[in-house]
Formats: sequence, structure tokens, C-alpha cells
Amino acid sequence: QSVLTQPPSVSAAPGQKVTISCSGSSSNIDNNYVSWYQQLPGTAPKLLIYDNNKRFSGIPDRFSGSKSGTSATLGITGLQTGDEADYYCVTWDSSLSAVVFGGGTKLTVL
Amino acid sequence: QVQLVESGGGVVQPGKSLRLSCAASGFTFTSYAMHWVRQAPGKGLDWVAVISYDGDDKYYADSVRGRFSISRDNSKNTLYLEMNSLRAEDTSVYYCARDPTPIPRHYFDSWGQGTLVTVSS
Repeated sequence: QSVLTQPPSVSAAPGQKVTISCSGSSSNIDNNYVSWYQQLPGTAPKLLIYDNNKRFSGIPDRFSGSKSGTSATLGITGLQTGDEADYYCVTWDSSLSAVVFGGGTKLTVL
Repeated sequence: QVQLVESGGGVVQPGKSLRLSCAASGFTFTSYAMHWVRQAPGKGLDWVAVISYDGDDKYYADSVRGRFSISRDNSKNTLYLEMNSLRAEDTSVYYCARDPTPIPRHYFDSWGQGTLVTVSS
């Protein structure tokens, strides 16, 4: 069971918008930066968002991140079939002195 | 460009040891902290360990603390993961990943392609 909670799956139609939530606690999300990763099938993960809301180099502005209290959210607009992937949130947990991952969310673009 | 190439994976019996390597190129290795992250077949990502740029600071996941050891050889631009007392649940693809600063900021801006470790009798 992951320290950070993500929905197992989300879906939306091409061109639509989707949000993926990541819920944690005061020892992790509330007091540390959150990053988000995309993992396409059969490939290594790729950094999308760091420091809660900063897009990594080369990431289109269709991807956005936000944080409020003990929760973070990844938003993707203008969905494309190429966005079908697993998405993970990550942060540091000050109580565990460990990096913690969300369980991952599988995005399906219908 | 940044390149991280893992090696050393394979099939190993429970209780045995294995050492993974990650060869780094395309950047100044000594300026970055480094992580190991793993992924069991069909499962999510799972952080293993991190080491600071100079090797002085190391942190481990509870599941591997006392069994795994992260180290680096800055003269060889190589990151290592020494894995002892291996268990079936350690079966995973192991990725090395770069932290963007010398002292860990705990996110990963570059990843290797991974090496598969299978623990089985």
C-alpha cells in the first residue's frame, strides 16, 4: 500500500481535460515539493512536473501541476492518444526519511 | 546528452547477492545526487535508495535497509547498488535516476533504461 494515494485509473476522450489526484499527509506532500512522472508502456519514466507546478524542459503546457495542503493534482488538457500512460506522483516523506511514490494512475484516452 | 546505462541484472537464488552498476555519461557526474528506483513486474514504481554527490549522505527505503547498499565511484562515473540477502519480492526492473542537484532534492530528471533482477530458485 502506497504512502501517497492516487486513483488507479482515469479516462477521457481526445481533446478533453483530465485531472489526477495525489493524496498524502503532513509529513510528505504538505511540507515537501511534489513531482510527477509519465511512464509509457515498456519505457522508463519521464519527468513532467517538479516543485509542485514547474514544467520540466520540453514538456508542453498541456501538462500542469498544483498543490494544496496534503494533496497535489496533475492536469492534462487537449488529451491525445499518445498521452495514454501510467502517471506517478512523488515526494519526500520527512517522517520516513524516504522518497515516496503514489501507486500510479493509468490514463486511458478513449 | 545525459546517458545512464544500468547493468548487472540477472537471475539469482533467494539469499544470494548481486551488484548492479549504472554508468553515467554526458554530464558532470560529481555534481549530482543519484537514486535507485525499482518496479516489480506489472506493479508501480518503488524508491530504493539515494546517495549525495560525494557519497557522504545515503538514505534507504525500509524494505531494503540493512540488505542493500548504495555507493558511487566518481572517478569512474559509476553508481552501484549492492544487494544482499535477496528475496523473491526484490524481483524488479531496477532503474538508476539522476537527482537535479548535488544534495538530493528528491526528484528525478533523467532515468536509465533499467536492468531486470529476478530472484528465484
